[in-house]
Amino acid sequence: TQLLEQSPQFLSIQEGENLTVYCNSSSVFSSLQWYRQEPGEGPVLLVTVVTGGEVKKLKRLTFQFGDARKDSSLHITAAQPGDTGLYLCAGVRNTGKLIFGQGTTLQVKP
Amino acid sequence: GAGVSQSPSNKVTEKGKDVELRCDPISGHTALYWYRQSLGQGLEFLIYFQGNSAPDKSGLPSDRFSAERTGGSVSTLTIQRTQQEDSAVYLCASSRVLGSGANVLTFGAGSRLTVL
Repeated sequence: TQLLEQSPQFLSIQEGENLTVYCNSSSVFSSLQWYRQEPGEGPVLLVTVVTGGEVKKLKRLTFQFGDARKDSSLHITAAQPGDTGLYLCAGVRNTGKLIFGQGTTLQVKP
Repeated sequence: GAGVSQSPSNKVTEKGKDVELRCDPISGHTALYWYRQSLGQGLEFLIYFQGNSAPDKSGLPSDRFSAERTGGSVSTLTIQRTQQEDSAVYLCASSRVLGSGANVLTFGAGSRLTVL
């Protein structure tokens, strides 16, 4: 049973385009995190969203936590080749346990 | 150390052999996690150690998998009688904060296991 559904699973776009990645669940989490992973390395935390409806911005990346704290989105504006990688969302339980989605592989072509 | 250290970085073994994967977490981090990742896929939860509490083993796929954490620090993930479907990257992470929305995981680079 996949508790966190990410979509799309694969995205290939041209430099300069915008994109949105979605992370959905039927469960409520105490918080939700987004990670980025490059080949041969472990995931690196980008952001944590805690409050329902919260929006956080990290340069060209905008993260939103749904009002019911069950879903989240990541929007990238004017994507660049350096944004290429695997993006993972993770729901945090109040015990501290993290459940990850399947990941979204993003390829940005110059 | 400055980060989470995992060893070996690569392991090739024959079907049926046992393997041990080691994780050295960041000093002072009380929570330790093991995940499994197939190529280009998400992370599959295996086991979670939290301080002195009983570990959450709910993600271990079979009784061939076990993990220990000695002295609240180093952890070893053991896979007995390995099968080809066990081939994956095994990732370890540690964190300082427990049960909090600010729980920040630091991952190691992973141990790539290939079962022939």
